[in-house]
Amino acid sequence: AQSVTQLGSHVSVSEGALVLLRCNYSSSVPPYLFWYVQYPNKGLQLLLKYTSAATLVKGINGFEAEFKKSETSFHLTKPSAHMSDAAEYFCAVSDSSASKIIFGSGTRLSIRP
Amino acid sequence: EADIYQTPRYLVIGTGKKITLECSQTMGHDKMYWYQQDPGMELHLIHYSYGVNSTEKGDLSSESTVSRIRTEHFPLTLESARPSHTSQYLCASSDGGGITDTQYFGPGTRLTVL
Repeated sequence: AQSVTQLGSHVSVSEGALVLLRCNYSSSVPPYLFWYVQYPNKGLQLLLKYTSAATLVKGINGFEAEFKKSETSFHLTKPSAHMSDAAEYFCAVSDSSASKIIFGSGTRLSIRP
Repeated sequence: EADIYQTPRYLVIGTGKKITLECSQTMGHDKMYWYQQDPGMELHLIHYSYGVNSTEKGDLSSESTVSRIRTEHFPLTLESARPSHTSQYLCASSDGGGITDTQYFGPGTRLTVL
């Protein structure tokens, strides 16, 4: 069975600082990995996804994530945080047997002025 | 922004009432999903559909039922609401048949059962 673990339910950074949201996965087969963002009172929106092509994946709003098989990680980063990045971020892994996506518990990102 | 809608956005209701949470999408997607999300917890898939007249139960057992009579509509029904059903319910759809498909989410319905 596949699973994903997000380290840290809440991350707070200063505006302009590096954003790093951690995600580790467990999968017995090559995974497909996703990051979704949920802004207040909005539905989840896809930030980026890894589908076995390039290991460094660039997404919207300046975010990127790197797939590291040796570390079973898919951490999300952004060089310089903006106030509008405040949201909840979900890492997810696909279930190859039934075309379902399994979500992590989410990390709430706060940005300090 | 994705064209997927959920109503109501918020619902407070008494125990024993029957409720239907509506979900509609205008993108013509075949695949639709219902997730349950408690605060600070991961999303749990409770139902999904691959097309009209197709419904399946997800990973998390739920007392709710769903129907898919039309492509664009995927309502979720609770015959008799209980406080344990208090949660946020998210509807999503996707357009492809592969495991890398992007899922498009509605804004969610926050349900409180008193």
